[in-house]
Amino acid sequence: AQRVTQPEKLLSVFKGAPVELKCNYSYSGSPELFWYVQYSRQRLQLLLRHISRESIKGFTADLNKGETSFHLKKPFAQEEDSAMYYCALRSGTSYGKLTFGQGTILTVHP
Amino acid sequence: DTGVSQDPRHKITKRGQNVTFRCDPISEHNRLYWYRQTLGQGPEFLTYFQNEAQLEKSRLLSDRFSAERPKGSFSTLEIQRTEQGDSAMYLCASSLGDRAYEQYFGPGTRLTVT
Repeated sequence: AQRVTQPEKLLSVFKGAPVELKCNYSYSGSPELFWYVQYSRQRLQLLLRHISRESIKGFTADLNKGETSFHLKKPFAQEEDSAMYYCALRSGTSYGKLTFGQGTILTVHP
Repeated sequence: DTGVSQDPRHKITKRGQNVTFRCDPISEHNRLYWYRQTLGQGPEFLTYFQNEAQLEKSRLLSDRFSAERPKGSFSTLEIQRTEQGDSAMYLCASSLGDRAYEQYFGPGTRLTVT
């Protein structure tokens, strides 16, 4: 069975501070990991995926297979980063079905 | 708006009634997913269609739930004999085959069973 855990329901930082949203997963095969984001009154949308290894809106995430983690990081948080963030996993055999974590609400204070 | 649309946005029903939700995916997307989200949780997968074929169903999808995508375009999700535990946000998402990793989500239908 596959599982995604986001240990922090709430995370508060001040503008300009570094931010790290934690994500751990359990899956026996080779998963694909994603971060989805939901801004206030908007739809859930893809932020980034581990395969692309790109930085989106200043966010990066590295897949650590040894620690089974995929933490999302940004060196300098902005107020517009305040949102709900979900880590998600897709197995290689699942037709694209996503398994989501419980989500972390990030609040960036001015 | 050319994104995924869902109808209705809100539904209040009494326990025991049947409800049906509709999802219109992005027009060229051949894959369609239904998820359910309860308060404080992330979305949970319910079922998946590729074109008109329903290829995967979650154990969460009890016999009271049925989903269709008759012509490979819009999809419906029906819940029969609703229970209070069915109260949740029902999300639809679509994706294009070779970019199936990027799912585009609709606004959701919030169901309240009284």
